[in-house]
Order: sequence, then C-alpha cells, then structure tokens
Amino acid sequence: TQLLEQSPQFLSIQEGENLTVYCNSSSVFSSLQWYRQEPGEGPVLLVTVVTGGEVKKLKRLTFQFGDARKDSSLHITAAQPGDTGLYLCAGAENNAGNMLTFGGGTRLMVKP
Amino acid sequence: NAGVMQNPRHLVRRRGQEARLRCSPMKGHSHVYWYRQLPEEGLKFMVYLQKENIIDESGMPKERFSAEFPKEGPSILRIQQVVRGDSAAYFCASSPLRFSGETQYFGPGTRLLVL
Repeated sequence: TQLLEQSPQFLSIQEGENLTVYCNSSSVFSSLQWYRQEPGEGPVLLVTVVTGGEVKKLKRLTFQFGDARKDSSLHITAAQPGDTGLYLCAGAENNAGNMLTFGGGTRLMVKP
Repeated sequence: NAGVMQNPRHLVRRRGQEARLRCSPMKGHSHVYWYRQLPEEGLKFMVYLQKENIIDESGMPKERFSAEFPKEGPSILRIQQVVRGDSAAYFCASSPLRFSGETQYFGPGTRLLVL
C-alpha cells in the first residue's frame, strides 16, 4: 500500500505570509492531485500534475511535481483568510487499480 | 451541470441498525468510487464500481459493508449492523473514464453518526 506523508499537519499564519505544504512518498505515482476541502463539504480539485518536474500555477498557488514523481509541493503566496481550509494531496498509481491514495492533510488557518 | 450528488448529507443511526448511503454520479460518468474519512484524517479508498460491476473492493471491510451500482439509479453503500467505529464522512467520487490520471469529482459526502 502506498503512503503519502503530508507536512505540516497544521499551519497557522498571518494574512500576507507565504507558505509551503509538502507531500512525500517513497514510491512513484503516475499522477498527483491537490484538493481543498471546506468543513462539511467534499474535496474540490485544485490541480492535477502528471509529468515529473511539472510546475503549475493557479493565481497565488504554485504546484510542483518532483522529478522522480514521488513528491509534490504546494506554495501559496501572500495567503489570505479565504485560503483557510484542509489541503489534501492524492496520488494515483498505474498498477493499483483506480484508487486515489490520500495524504493525511494539512489544515491551514490564515488569520486576518 | 449537476455535480456528484450524495444523500442523505447527515445520517444518525443507533448501533445495530443499517445505514444506506446514496450517490448519483455526474451526468455521463459511469465510474463511481467510495471513500471514507475519519475526523482529522485524509480519505481512504473503499470500493470502485462501474455499472452493475464491482471492480475493486480492496479497501472495503469484508463484513457488514456492501456496495452496488445498478444499471438504473444511484450507487448504494450499505453498512449493516453499524457500530460506533463506522462514524465517519463517506464520500463518493465519479469519473467519466477508467481512472488513469483523469480527475475524480467528489460529492459533498454523507456524515454518518452512530450512537
């Protein structure tokens, strides 16, 4: 069974600060997805990365997939209170059927 | 376009009762996945279904849990004789194709509380 480790588990910062969330595994994923989940709701897809070394930007969010496709990071620039939420990474494997393997999540709080 | 729909959103059951959770995939999607999320944790895969077929149930407990996706109607996750440890949020996701890097779209979840 694949394991995805996310760090940090909790992060509390002031509005305007930058932050990075990490997602690491000892195994290779064919693709990796980042989701954001609000309380009482389901995960909402932010981005999918599929190529080693790939970098994708979504406004103030920058996502990177490691060269070896074992790790990924999410960087938020100038965080805002609206960024508060649970951030989840999830990896897919070619030879593991159709499941997504989720990390434990990073709970972010951005204080005004 | 309606997204993935799940009902009920909240379900309270007493120990020993049955829980039935329903999931209607996005229009045009024929692949359904069920995940369970315990408080303050990530999601854990339970089962993957296509219409009338269970493709992968490796994450589903062998006893008391079952899932189906009939030719007509929603996918159903059934939990018989619920216990307190079954309390969790259950999420359904759907995709148009067999998942191979394609996106899975998640529903809002059913929060099950077992008293």
